[in-house]
Amino acid sequence: DTEVTQTPKHLVMGMTNKKSLKCEQHMGHRAMYWYKQKAKKPPELMFVYSYEKLSINESVPSRFSPECPNSSLLNLHLHALQPEDSALYLCASSQDRIAARYFGAGTRLSVL
Amino acid sequence: QQPVQSPQAVILREGEDAVINCSSSKALYSVHWYRQKHGEAPVFLMILLKGGEQKGHEKISASFNEKKQQSSLYLTASQLSYSGTYFCGTDEYSGAGSYQLTFGKGTKLSVIP
Repeated sequence: DTEVTQTPKHLVMGMTNKKSLKCEQHMGHRAMYWYKQKAKKPPELMFVYSYEKLSINESVPSRFSPECPNSSLLNLHLHALQPEDSALYLCASSQDRIAARYFGAGTRLSVL
Repeated sequence: QQPVQSPQAVILREGEDAVINCSSSKALYSVHWYRQKHGEAPVFLMILLKGGEQKGHEKISASFNEKKQQSSLYLTASQLSYSGTYFCGTDEYSGAGSYQLTFGKGTKLSVIP
């Protein structure tokens, strides 16, 4: 099973809303990632969790807040987002930090 | 540092071959290849580690020249299902035992009947 599950698939939110994106994997992977992807661009790394600890924060604005409750779950809490934050948010996992990334289907976020 | 991919786009007829190149100015630990179809998530194709190995996946194979810091993806006898955007990702050592995967800008491959 190489599945990474993300919910919701689509999300529309206002600039004052608080919402969360969820990601789950059951492959026993110890590294999990959040990526942001704009149209016709490559995925951009936002956060990396390795063994449930945040190891890289790529200078992402504080309106994005990651959380890793356990080795199978990854959340991304959103608060006071801007319209330019509209994008596809991808979760991925890998066996370790140098192994293949397995991506979820993504959450398409629109900020109004 | 973002790897450089070429070409940016390519159009093939079914059955034709294509090569996509990926290069970096930094020493690489590994190179990843992913394919993303429109509206879908990237899908892992293969990973090549230091050592100049070549790997294969059905009619898709890749090579990694560690000295030149280059990788090439070879698609032979292309099928309609090969259409999509191909991304290379390069693993660079970022210090303290950490590696960071950075994606190139992608190569859009279109296979037509």
